[in-house]
Amino acid sequence: QVQLVQSGAEVKKPGASVKVSCKASDYTFTDYGISWVRQAPGQGLEWMGWISADNGNTEYAQKFQGRVTMTTDTSTSTAYMELRSLRSDDTAVYYCARLAAVGVYWYFDFWGRGTLVTVSS
Amino acid sequence: DIQMTQSPSSLSASVGDRVTITCRASQSISSYLNWYQQKPGKAPKLLIYATSSLQNGVPSRFSGSRSGTDFTLTISSLQPEDFATYYCQQSFSTLTFGPGTKVDI
Repeated sequence: QVQLVQSGAEVKKPGASVKVSCKASDYTFTDYGISWVRQAPGQGLEWMGWISADNGNTEYAQKFQGRVTMTTDTSTSTAYMELRSLRSDDTAVYYCARLAAVGVYWYFDFWGRGTLVTVSS
Repeated sequence: DIQMTQSPSSLSASVGDRVTITCRASQSISSYLNWYQQKPGKAPKLLIYATSSLQNGVPSRFSGSRSGTDFTLTISSLQPEDFATYYCQQSFSTLTFGPGTKVDI
């Protein structure tokens, strides 16, 4: 069964950076993309961007451009999301999700369990 | 940017009820619309992709449809495990989500 295992919870101070990992298993990592979605406490889902595990191409939501970097390590089937210049409103659960497609239709078919990032002084 | 709205934002229903949730796109997105279910403290789960295609393992009481830029998720007979929040997501341009609809008792 496809699994996405995320790194553990983080507590960061404002202005710091955080790097969350997402290790994939039981599928060919480079056949799919990985997307990152966050959810602030009590709020909805917010798409941050995605990365092709095949060629490393990325697309970031405009809101996060310049502050986020998504990378992959194909040797370990792991995706990473780094968010810089953290603010208190970046406190959220960060999910990775496998980006799959049927023809031109894209969707997230498997999700990690989420990583809580708390930004507090 | 394409904006997604959902209605209602919340609803109360009973087991066995037929439930309908609507998602509207701010412009045409063809059939590039997915639905997810999220329970408290859990990751979202894909229910339907491409407007009406049921993801493997999802019960057939879930269905999706489209009329122009309006999309509908229907639960034909609500079960106890269906009480959750439902999100639509467009994949026509980027991958933005609607604000969610909470279904409770």
